[in-house]
Amino acid sequence: KQEVTQIPAALSVPEGENLVLNCSFTDSAIYNLQWFRQDPGKGLTSLLLIQSSQREQTSGRLNASLDKSSGRSTLYIAASQPGDSATYLCAVFNTDKLIFGTGTRLQVFP
Amino acid sequence: DVKVTQSSRYLVKRTGEKVFLECVQDMDHENMFWYRQDPGLGLRLIYFSYDVKMKEKGDIPEGYSVSREKKERFSLILESASTNQTSMYLCASRQTGVVLTNEKLFFGSGTQLSVL
Repeated sequence: KQEVTQIPAALSVPEGENLVLNCSFTDSAIYNLQWFRQDPGKGLTSLLLIQSSQREQTSGRLNASLDKSSGRSTLYIAASQPGDSATYLCAVFNTDKLIFGTGTRLQVFP
Repeated sequence: DVKVTQSSRYLVKRTGEKVFLECVQDMDHENMFWYRQDPGLGLRLIYFSYDVKMKEKGDIPEGYSVSREKKERFSLILESASTNQTSMYLCASRQTGVVLTNEKLFFGSGTQLSVL
């Protein structure tokens, strides 16, 4: 059974730092991996999707990498801002559904 | 942009009531999903639907049922609400196509259900 783990569970950093959020999964037979952002009490917003054949995807200050063989993905946030404060979730697409990690709660303070 | 709309932002119901949570998407997506989100447990899949009148059980279907009579609408039904169904409920949709691997999942803003 696929399990998705995110470390750390929470992170608090000063504005301007470059960050790395980690996601690991137990079954490497995935179709794709998605990173989402969730603001408190709100739904999820898709940030990046990496197909299983890809190594990374970039969108603005965000860069996500995928290493299927080791069962790992990282989300890199450059020059963090207070507006980046949110919970970040990764999810892997296995067969016909997404399996979510429990998220990393990020706080960026001025 | 895709819009996934959940009918209620907050809902308070009593134990034993029948509860309907509605979700509508405006992009002709074929796949729709219902998740619940609880602190420490993350998102767990309740039911999903590949197309109209089709439904599949997710990981925690007990106590729930669903209805997909029209392509744009996917309803989650709590037949007899219980306190352990207090949770944030999230609806999502996704288009499918020839290349299944590159389709993003789009979420609604969620319904916070409290069962007293």
